[in-house]
Amino acid sequence: EVQLLESGGGLVQRGGSLRLSCAASGFIFSSYAMTWVRQAPGKGLEWVSVISGSGGTTYYAESVKGRFTISRDNSKNTLYLQVNSLRAEDTAVYYCAKAGSSGVANFLDYWGQGTLVTVSS
Amino acid sequence: SYVLTQPPSVSVAPGETARITCEGNNIGSKSVHWYQQKPAQAPVMVIYYDSDRPSGIPERFSGSNSGNTATLTISRVEAGDEADYYCQVWDSGSDHQMFGGGTKLTVL
Repeated sequence: EVQLLESGGGLVQRGGSLRLSCAASGFIFSSYAMTWVRQAPGKGLEWVSVISGSGGTTYYAESVKGRFTISRDNSKNTLYLQVNSLRAEDTAVYYCAKAGSSGVANFLDYWGQGTLVTVSS
Repeated sequence: SYVLTQPPSVSVAPGETARITCEGNNIGSKSVHWYQQKPAQAPVMVIYYDSDRPSGIPERFSGSNSGNTATLTISRVEAGDEADYYCQVWDSGSDHQMFGGGTKLTVL
């Protein structure tokens, strides 16, 4: 059974940093791209970033480029998102999601339950 | 960047057919995926590659994609189908995943 468990969210001041983690199990982690998607309170889904199965390819939404860094440790079956220079508009539930293959241009067939990041001013 | 447009809301009576559209420039040339999200829950994929259904998703859910419009069709709608639905594509021009704004399906 595929499981994705996010952690690392919390309350942080504007300008602060957090590292979000997503522990994966139930599949060969290195064989699949992974994505972060966020959802602000009462809003729709917003894609944040994607990383290929090998970790060699990454892409970011314009709204987070230069502030967020996606990475993965295939030996630990864990996905990360380092979020820096946080702004009020970064307040959201952050979901990690598994892609359908190792490539980044893919559907998202499994999602975690999300971790809430709240940025206070 | 590539824009996906969905109607904010769709309402349908139980047993009827709901059609949720996702409009984008020449979207028929892209692969469209659909997600269902119920309140306080994570999204669940209901259609991938325009019209394929993951295991466990009822046959009542189907998809199509042509021209500038992709459509998610839910036949014989049930109260449990009430949720937000999102379309998604990969925009190769920007190397970005794109989501539509979401459609709230209300079962009357």
